[in-house]
Amino acid sequence: ETGVTQSPTHLIKTRGQQVTLRCSSQSGHNTVSWYQQALGQGPQFIFQYYREEENGRGNFPPRFSGLQFPNYSSELNVNALELDDSALYLCASSPSTNYEQYFGPGTRLTVT
Amino acid sequence: GESVGLHLPTLSVQEGDNSIINCAYSNSASDYFIWYKQESGKGPQFIIDIRSNMDKRQGQRVTVLLNKTVKHLSLQIAATQPGDSAVYFCAETLNKGGSYIPTFGRGTSLIVHP
Repeated sequence: ETGVTQSPTHLIKTRGQQVTLRCSSQSGHNTVSWYQQALGQGPQFIFQYYREEENGRGNFPPRFSGLQFPNYSSELNVNALELDDSALYLCASSPSTNYEQYFGPGTRLTVT
Repeated sequence: GESVGLHLPTLSVQEGDNSIINCAYSNSASDYFIWYKQESGKGPQFIIDIRSNMDKRQGQRVTVLLNKTVKHLSLQIAATQPGDSAVYFCAETLNKGGSYIPTFGRGTSLIVHP
């Protein structure tokens, strides 16, 4: 059974650019959540997707957006990047919305 | 606003000792709590969870205690091993329309000395 995978592992972008991060959920999981983890902090919830629909959102601006595809993989898009967007972005999948979440290794985004 | 915090940012122990990591939460409506372990370069890994209708739950070498009166959560690791060295997060969750969205604290770094 393949776990949660994320790509790319590392990424460097310039302020003002746009970025797309990708996540493949674990087999059989229909729910994907995205988190932002700044250095030395705990993960902060961005949003959750359940069966291709957004199912909850944290305190992040609209320039953070997402998609979930029919195979339940997901994308996180961030527009107009800011320096403070530099962080580890974590994806977590679960069998449904009220089950334990399994985290991927994350994508390290650096904005210069 | 509501928050989850940890009392100690770093905990150093000797191999074989028992470790206790503490966590304070502030949302009395939280109904599900989770402890995660995060090793360097990896995502958080589920360790153990507890629901608000329980005050203790045991796993393999780990025990979670929940004191709702003082809104306190602890993780006890028995016979700590070097492989336990990691950052530990507690997370509180609320059931929002069938979804459990965890709110993480800052984390405690556990260092196990051989």
